[in-house]
Amino acid sequence: NAGVTQTPKFQVLKTGQSMTLQCAQDMNHEYMSWYRQDPGMGLRLIHYSVGAGITDQGEVPNGYNVSRSTTEDFPLRLLSAAPSQTSVYFCASSSRRGRGAYNEQFFGPGTRLTVL
Amino acid sequence: GNSVTQMEGPVTLSEEAFLTINCTYTATGYPSLFWYVQYPGEGLQLLLKATKADDKGSNKGFEATYRKETTSFHLEKGSVQVSDSAVYFCALSEGDSSYKLIFGSGTRLLVRP
Repeated sequence: NAGVTQTPKFQVLKTGQSMTLQCAQDMNHEYMSWYRQDPGMGLRLIHYSVGAGITDQGEVPNGYNVSRSTTEDFPLRLLSAAPSQTSVYFCASSSRRGRGAYNEQFFGPGTRLTVL
Repeated sequence: GNSVTQMEGPVTLSEEAFLTINCTYTATGYPSLFWYVQYPGEGLQLLLKATKADDKGSNKGFEATYRKETTSFHLEKGSVQVSDSAVYFCALSEGDSSYKLIFGSGTRLLVRP
């Protein structure tokens, strides 16, 4: 199992450019999430998905789009990059179990994005 | 809304010292509580968890007890090693919403030989 993989590892964009951060998992997890990590602020939830075809907004969704056409993939799209989107982005996945059971989130290695 | 507050770092200790990293939370309902660790250049890994009041999570010599009366989940280790140097995040999830974690700001731990 590769677990959760993310590409690219590093990316530099100019203001206004668009790009897609890729995330894939091979654990057949139903749940997938995107977080951004900023200094002194921990991780904040951008978007999440509870299954293929279902997505919803997290705490900081503005400027980002997601889709979930397959169980394995959950790409994050920046429509028009802004310097405020300079951050480290983490994708995570977890499985759905019975009520009351905790399902550990598995994190990818992250993508470091700089917007100039 | 729900939130997690952690002590600010960095925390610098000598090897074999005792570690405490404070974490308090604000939540409605009955959250589950977690400690995640991030080693340099890596993603987050679950260190330990507790899903109900008075539960004690433990792993790799680290412990934390879910204290509902003080809304706390402090991380402790009796004797730290250089290899424990990392950033530690306290987090909570609301009930079964394991895909919607709320994180504290993280505490960097530096352990000197």
